Amino acid sequence: EVQLVESGGGLVQPGGSLRLSCAASGFTFSSYWMHWVRQAPGKGLVWVSRINSDGSSTSYADSVKGRFTISRDNAKNTLYLQMNSLRAEDTAVYYCARVGDYGDFCFDLWGRGTLVTVSS
Amino acid sequence: SYVLTQPPSVSVAPGKTARITCGGNNIGSKSVHWYQQKPGQAPVLVIYYDSDRPSGIPERFSGSNSGNTATLTISRVEAGDEADYYCQVWDSSSDVVFGGGTKLTVL
Repeated sequence: EVQLVESGGGLVQPGGSLRLSCAASGFTFSSYWMHWVRQAPGKGLVWVSRINSDGSSTSYADSVKGRFTISRDNAKNTLYLQMNSLRAEDTAVYYCARVGDYGDFCFDLWGRGTLVTVSS
Repeated sequence: SYVLTQPPSVSVAPGKTARITCGGNNIGSKSVHWYQQKPGQAPVLVIYYDSDRPSGIPERFSGSNSGNTATLTISRVEAGDEADYYCQVWDSSSDVVFGGGTKLTVL
């Protein structure tokens, strides 16, 4: 089955760190660009970061630049998001999403998300 | 930064046509994608490249894009279409941009 499964979310104090993982299965992970998108409780979708297929190119939203790092391990079919210096406003469900066969920057496959709560 | 503007809510009776707009500066020059998100679920792509439907998406879903407005049209609306809908583009200065989302209510 083609799927993405996020993990690693949880409760963390402000200023703390967390690493999210996104395990891919059912497709050739190394062929696809991958993104992280987040959604604060009751709010809309917000793009966070992207990485190209071989991991050589990354990009970040201004709100997380310098604090978050996206990476991937194609041998393990896994996408990561290292989140440092976390703030209350980073509280959200974090989704990993695949840019698939429908074209550039069009997300054809999403995980179910993992909740990150930043609170003391 | 590039901004996409959607109405917060749209209401429609079953069997009627719902139109959800997405406004942006010269959005007609960009490729617009639309996602449906039901409560507690991940988003699902329903329209890509302005007007194409992924496999498995009913023909009742269609899209258009011109000038400063893109539109998602849902014909013969069903109760199961009730969800939040998001438009999305890529912009060279802002990277991936989502609209604020529109809650579709089926009366």
